[in-house]
Parts: sequence; C-alpha cells; structure tokens
Amino acid sequence: LAKTTQPISMDSYEGQEVNITCSHNNIATNDYITWYQQFPSQGPRFIIQGYKTKVTNEVASLFIPADRKSSTLSLPRVSLSDTAVYYCLVGDRATSGTYKYIFGTGTRLKVLA
Amino acid sequence: DSGVTQTPKHLITATGQRVTLRCSPRSGDLSVYWYQQSLDQGLQFLIQYYNGEERAKGNILERFSAQQFPDLHSELNLSSLELGDSALYFCASSIRTGEGGELFFGEGSRLTVL
Repeated sequence: LAKTTQPISMDSYEGQEVNITCSHNNIATNDYITWYQQFPSQGPRFIIQGYKTKVTNEVASLFIPADRKSSTLSLPRVSLSDTAVYYCLVGDRATSGTYKYIFGTGTRLKVLA
Repeated sequence: DSGVTQTPKHLITATGQRVTLRCSPRSGDLSVYWYQQSLDQGLQFLIQYYNGEERAKGNILERFSAQQFPDLHSELNLSSLELGDSALYFCASSIRTGEGGELFFGEGSRLTVL
C-alpha cells in the first residue's frame, strides 16, 4: 500500500523559499510523484509531477533523490496567496492491477506577512 | 477553470433522504474519480470509473453508488443520508487511468444533511 507522510503544518514569511518534504518509502517502480495545492472550499489543483531527479515549472520545483523514497516540493519566494494545503500523491496499485490515487493528510502552509 | 463541471454546487437535505451528484469530465477525459472531503479533513477516495467501467474502489459506503454513462458523465448517488455524510464531494477527471496522470478537479458539491 503506497502511503505518503508529510508534515502537518508549516509557517513561512513572504518572500522566503519553502520546502515541503514527503516520504513515500513504498513507492512502486512505475509510480510518479505528484503535488497538488488546495485552497479552502476549492478542488485541488495540480502543481508539479516527477519521476526522478529534478523537475521545474513556472511555479515550483520538485526534487527526487535516486532512491525515490522521498521528494521535496520547493516553492520559491512565497506570497500570502500561497497559503493553502499541499498534498503529495503517489499511486496505489492493488494486486488486481487497479490503480488508485490516494491523498494523504497534506501539509497546511501558512504564509505570514 | 479546470473544465470539470459539478452540479449542484450546494445541496441541503434531511437525514434519510437520497441525493444525486453529477459530474461532467473535461472533454476527452475517460477517467472519473469521486472524493469526499469532510470539514477540515483530507480527501477520501471513493471510486473511479474509466470509460464506463468501474476501475477502483476506495472507502465508499454501501449506501453510496456511482456510475459513468456512455457520454462519460458520472453520477454519485447517496442514499439513507446521515449527518456524517455532510461534506464536499469532488469529482476529478483524467485522460487515462494509471500512473502519471494529472487529475483535474471540479469545484465540488457541498452537501449539508440536517
């Protein structure tokens, strides 16, 4: 059973870089690592996805070590509007072959002025 | 706008009643997923469909059922409602099923059971 572990909450100040680490010790060979952002009463929104090494897009970077048992989402220069819950997601493939996307508890990021 | 449409946005009903939540996936997406999110809780995976067929089941109660129609829209039926069923219900869609897919979420249907 694929499972992710993240810090429950983090505080940061505007303009700082924020790094959120996710542990996924049982990640399967074919699993991708995906991060989502969720604001209150809204649906989660895709941030970034990676398989190995480093991935960067216009909003974030994702660092994945060689053993892929963890990953770190990096948000450069956060602003107040980045206050949200961030979810790390890996797949959960059952022995039957079915594949589920199971969200963990997420990290509640609060950006302070 | 994710392209996923959920109706109704808000629904208030009484215990014991039955409701149907509807989801229209993004154009071209074959997979539909349903999630439940209670107040200040995480997202609980309920069920997934791919091109009309059930593909994966999560913590879905026997009082709940879902289906995906030939036009790919999906409905989640909740019956014999209890107070604890009050939650946000999200639908998500993706092009495929399996690894590497990006999920696109709707804005959710907020169900209040009184």
